[in-house]
Amino acid sequence: SQTIHQWPATLVQPVGSPLSLECTVEGTSNPNLYWYRQAAGRGLQLLFYSVGIGQISSEVPQNLSASRPQDRQFILSSKKLLLSDSGFYLCAWSVSRTGIGSNQPQHFGDGTRLSIL
Amino acid sequence: AQSVTQLGSHVSVSEGALVLLRCNYSSSVPPYLFWYVQYPNQGLQLLLKYTTGATLVKGINGFEAEFKKSETSFHLTKPSAHMSDAAEYFCAVSDLTLAGNQFYFGTGTSLTVIP
Repeated sequence: SQTIHQWPATLVQPVGSPLSLECTVEGTSNPNLYWYRQAAGRGLQLLFYSVGIGQISSEVPQNLSASRPQDRQFILSSKKLLLSDSGFYLCAWSVSRTGIGSNQPQHFGDGTRLSIL
Repeated sequence: AQSVTQLGSHVSVSEGALVLLRCNYSSSVPPYLFWYVQYPNQGLQLLLKYTTGATLVKGINGFEAEFKKSETSFHLTKPSAHMSDAAEYFCAVSDLTLAGNQFYFGTGTSLTVIP
């Protein structure tokens, strides 16, 4: 069966420090991968998605970046964190289909709670 | 453009009462619809999905939802609420025009179950 791992579970960082959050998926190949941010009491904001190694699409301009160095690894980074980067970050995956679109659900990791001081 | 509206950011029900969480969507093409549940400090868990076929879909934990095209709705129901149902619920829509199987999520409904 497929599993998704996110770490760390919680992170406290000072303003201006760098960030690296990692997500890995097991039990499937060539998945679509996603990074979301969830601010307190609000819905999910799609930050990045990837349909393959090295293929990253950004949905929201910000000081965050994403990379996919391996098929089942997705990394969220920042060179300098802002106070506004605080939130709950969720990684997700779905089955990839050729062409656009799919009726497959997305499956989520347990999230990383990021607090910026 | 696709969008999802969840009416009621907070819903309270008594234990044993009917749960009704509302979701309306906007999509110019046939939608795929999903309901997720999120417990505190956890990720989202899939409750149920509608793709094609039967418009009444059953999910985990006794939940079900009905796709009504004429009303552009996909409301989530459960006949009898349990204390363990207290959580945040998200409705999501996708369709074949969205690259990378992107989803549009609603802003969520927080369900409180009163003993």
